[in-house]
Amino acid sequence: DQQVKQNSPSLSVQEGRISILNCDYTNSMFDYFLWYKKYPAEGPTFLISISSIKDKNEDGRFTVFLNKSAKHLSLHIVPSQPGDSAVYFCAASANYGQNFVFGPGTRLSVLP
Amino acid sequence: DVKVTQSSRYLVKRTGEKVFLECVQDMDHENMFWYRQDPGLGLRLIYFSYDVKMKEKGDIPEGYSVSREKKERFSLILESASTNQTSMYLCASSFSSGSPGETQYFGPGTRLLVL
Repeated sequence: DQQVKQNSPSLSVQEGRISILNCDYTNSMFDYFLWYKKYPAEGPTFLISISSIKDKNEDGRFTVFLNKSAKHLSLHIVPSQPGDSAVYFCAASANYGQNFVFGPGTRLSVLP
Repeated sequence: DVKVTQSSRYLVKRTGEKVFLECVQDMDHENMFWYRQDPGLGLRLIYFSYDVKMKEKGDIPEGYSVSREKKERFSLILESASTNQTSMYLCASSFSSGSPGETQYFGPGTRLLVL
């Protein structure tokens, strides 16, 4: 049973609009979350993280929101750019550990 | 810039062959990881290592073994390759700084096809 779920396998957004990628988790011990971005033929690269002591973290066009009671986090990209087209993975760790559980990924396509 | 390199980008092997996948990182990271990525399943942890000669099983270790003789190098071994091990294999490394959830840096991946 997947502990980290990304229920949308794919998402298409117009350039300049907001992209919202969602992630749900089941393990209440998860306390640190990351988003990775992956282009074809490349390894995933770190995008943004959030600790369970926060409910929001912002880095430029990227904002991650955490709702602990709902066990839900989301990544907002504003404004979306064609270069943001990639697969986005949500990952979570427990006890601020070094091991992460990854979701299945959401493929984002930003249309010009 | 952190660099994680993997020995091959593409590999084709026959069922029953012994397969070696090698990963090298140049940032003196203590932690190294092997994942496989399959459609709809995301990245699943096979094995990890927090130090030289140390290894720990991840979520799906069956059919795999690892070796870490030097800090910079982490090898994944498929003792007898099977068709269900056809996958993308990703290596990652990270510092062991004591900070929560230290970022992992990934290599470009090895796409393995077992016939």
